[in-house]
Amino acid sequence: SQQGEEDPQALSIQEGENATMNCSYKTSINNLQWYRQNSGRGLVHLILIRSNEREKHSGRLRVTLDTSKKSSSLLITASRAADTASYFCATDAIFYTGNQFYFGTGTSLTVIP
Amino acid sequence: DAGITQSPRYKITETGRQVTLMCHQTWSHSYMFWYRQDLGHGLRLIYYSAAADITDKGEVPDGYVVSRSKTENFPLTLESATRSQTSVYFCASGLMRFGQYFGPGTRLTVT
Repeated sequence: SQQGEEDPQALSIQEGENATMNCSYKTSINNLQWYRQNSGRGLVHLILIRSNEREKHSGRLRVTLDTSKKSSSLLITASRAADTASYFCATDAIFYTGNQFYFGTGTSLTVIP
Repeated sequence: DAGITQSPRYKITETGRQVTLMCHQTWSHSYMFWYRQDLGHGLRLIYYSAAADITDKGEVPDGYVVSRSKTENFPLTLESATRSQTSVYFCASGLMRFGQYFGPGTRLTVT
């Protein structure tokens, strides 16, 4: 499979702690995106980082990208119970036949109040 | 209201029947996507469309047909439904390079 792989598959933390989840992928990419999915709902776009960027911030979110290792991490600082959700990385992957878009299998985050 | 909608939200059908899932967006996004979400597989791209009358296969296109005669609509048809197509289907619009907006999903059960 060409999809990204998130690590860990599940994460449980106390409210106020930081949560870190990682994503690895296999091909060259134009960009990498992180999405959140609350149970039974559609995905919500969180942040996009381009292949020529190394770090990006948005509110309590910090994303890093290491294209040499084909990996990315999402850090959520000062977590809240409302952050409980599944988080997916997605890659805009480059193929000689054209671009393809792949989602990883997700990290399930539980924030305990 | 602006946004992306899917219909029906829930559907039960029998093996061998044709089923069409509808997707409508009001943002005039050029790109639209269909995904299926299954436990253990995450989301997998079925088909996408860069513009009206332009469609391309994703990772798992077999057994599905799409069309896009108008920018705002992107229906997905299962020509002869199989049990392996039981899944939650998400439509999205936007741009690969800027992020996608997802619909609420259609839960399809094939008996």
